[in-house]
Amino acid sequence: ETGVTQSPTHLIKTRGQQVTLRCSSQSGHNTVSWYQQALGQGPQFIFQYYREEENGRGNFPPRFSGLQFPNYSSELNVNALELDDSALYLCASSQDSRRGYTFGSGTRLTVV
Amino acid sequence: GIQVEQSPPDLILQEGANSTLRCNFSDSVNNLQWFHQNPWGQLINLFYIPSGTKQNGRLSATTVATERYSLLYISSSQTTDSGVYFCAVENRDDKIIFGKGTRLHILP
Repeated sequence: ETGVTQSPTHLIKTRGQQVTLRCSSQSGHNTVSWYQQALGQGPQFIFQYYREEENGRGNFPPRFSGLQFPNYSSELNVNALELDDSALYLCASSQDSRRGYTFGSGTRLTVV
Repeated sequence: GIQVEQSPPDLILQEGANSTLRCNFSDSVNNLQWFHQNPWGQLINLFYIPSGTKQNGRLSATTVATERYSLLYISSSQTTDSGVYFCAVENRDDKIIFGKGTRLHILP
């Protein structure tokens, strides 16, 4: 039982298109983070939201954007998709960072 | 920024063997987690261990925060232990930084 649900599980998009990935966190988890994991690599931090405000960002261009909603769900939006955006996208949430983060199963995005 | 290094990068063992995975980090951290990523990409939390020692069945972990390293021990390995093991630290800005992982392959 992860308590963090991501959708869709798999997605194929064409270069130049836009995509929205979704994450549903456990109730009470005010912090949500998004990660990109390329094949054979560790997850890379994209950004983090706390109580619907972005409070940290990794080395990703502005075409990667996000939203967090009051019902503990969140979105990752990527505009102008590039081939290198093909990766597993992971969402993680936490009620209190001192308790650690719980990850979803991820969305595998393929850009062709 | 903080650097997280895991070793070894790859490890092949016979079923029943013991193993030690290491994670070094370059700066003070707020906390540290060990994850096992299964073949479907799911990151399973093994330990939340900013310091000290914890045990869960055949797995145990030790973090020595003052010396900036953590160890994950797997005893009596089983084929189901195969996968990639990640160490992830939370830096002072509350951001999680992952290492590159140790890919473990247990042979039957």
